[in-house]
Amino acid sequence: LAKTTQPISMDSYEGQEVNITCSHNNIATNDYITWYQQFPSQGPRFIIQGYKTKVTNEVASLFIPADRKSSTLSLPRVSLSDTAVYYCLVGDMGGTYQLIWGAGTKLIIKP
Amino acid sequence: SAVISQKPSRDICQRGTSLTIQCQVDSQVTMMFWYRQQPGQSLTLIATANQGSEATYESGFVIDKFPISRPNLTFSTLTVSNMSPEDSSIYLCSVPGTGGDEKLFFGSGTQLSVL
Repeated sequence: LAKTTQPISMDSYEGQEVNITCSHNNIATNDYITWYQQFPSQGPRFIIQGYKTKVTNEVASLFIPADRKSSTLSLPRVSLSDTAVYYCLVGDMGGTYQLIWGAGTKLIIKP
Repeated sequence: SAVISQKPSRDICQRGTSLTIQCQVDSQVTMMFWYRQQPGQSLTLIATANQGSEATYESGFVIDKFPISRPNLTFSTLTVSNMSPEDSSIYLCSVPGTGGDEKLFFGSGTQLSVL
């Protein structure tokens, strides 16, 4: 199973774009890349998922290079409410659900 | 999507006792997952609970310590048995979405503290 590595923490300011990169060198062909957000005392919440290239939804973008050995979550114009822990995970979402969760990146947004 | 009701939301227990955590889903799902999240850590899968069969436990987790029930397609329980302070964690249930929505949905978790 692929192992993921992501920064332990990041700081940014309101209105800035934040990019969090995750490495997953041993990603398998069937694996998708998924990002979750977690606030204190809550379960993780889905942000975005992709397989390759770029995916964009109403809250974030996900950039995946051709070799798929890394991915970058991009949060545009962050606000204080984006302060949370962000998890990168790879695995067969929709199939076996054998998932490898990253250690999480604690993102702190300052005013 | 899936809406999950998990209870209790938190509990403080004495060592040596057991706690049963309940997870109710608003739709029928085949697979249900139980995770543990130790303080400040990421999620670790405890077991996968499929209705009508024995739960499948991950390495490091055993049925005697974490018995699971899955009586129907919308409900499951996880029991943390003979608790010790090392069992203090957040326990989360999770299910895949339905209707083609394959991402995982999570309950709000059970914050367990063992004294």
